[in-house]
Amino acid sequence: DAKTTQPPSMDCAEGRAANLPCNHSTISGNEYVYWYRQIHSQGPQYIIHGLKNNETNEMASLIITEDRKSSTLILPHATLRDTAVYYCIVRGTGGGNKLTFGTGTQLKVEL
Amino acid sequence: EAGVTQFPSHSVIEKGQTVTLRCDPISGHDNLYWYRRVMGKEIKFLLHFVKESKQDESGMPNNRFLAERTGGTYSTLKVQPAELEDSGVYFCASSKKMAWEETQYFGPGTRLLVL
Repeated sequence: DAKTTQPPSMDCAEGRAANLPCNHSTISGNEYVYWYRQIHSQGPQYIIHGLKNNETNEMASLIITEDRKSSTLILPHATLRDTAVYYCIVRGTGGGNKLTFGTGTQLKVEL
Repeated sequence: EAGVTQFPSHSVIEKGQTVTLRCDPISGHDNLYWYRRVMGKEIKFLLHFVKESKQDESGMPNNRFLAERTGGTYSTLKVQPAELEDSGVYFCASSKKMAWEETQYFGPGTRLLVL
């Protein structure tokens, strides 16, 4: 699976959009981009995933660049409960079914 | 629908003792995964079951760890004998299909402390 690079930490004001970037410049054509988050003392929580097209669900939006070398997770109206570590994971057939977690981005949402 | 459950939530044992962790996947999910995070490190994959069969156990650290999934429902992860470096949080996840793009859903984890 391709390696990902994320900033170690970000801050966001409550009610504002949180935009979390991820670089995956070595991604191959059949690899998906997944986002999970881990709120303190809980298990990782699935957020969203995509292959080429932008995706949106009730939690977030995922914007993938045309060359697929980077993506952005958008939380449109961040709340204090969105404070967590966010993991961008690239996953394809080469790595089997396992998820390879990096260090992620610690998002802190403040009043 | 109930999510992935894990038992116990916390366990404190002494070095050399045995501990068994249990995971109940989401009903109908054939795929079950074990991961762990040891102190200060990233979450690491341990192994993957498809029903009762071990599909991938490449992440198991050594032969002190034994995972089973008899009957293809719940799974146990036994650590025997436990060492100090086994302390950490052990997560279980499940997914419905045998497909690499299938979403995995995680349990709350078992926090293991070996003294």
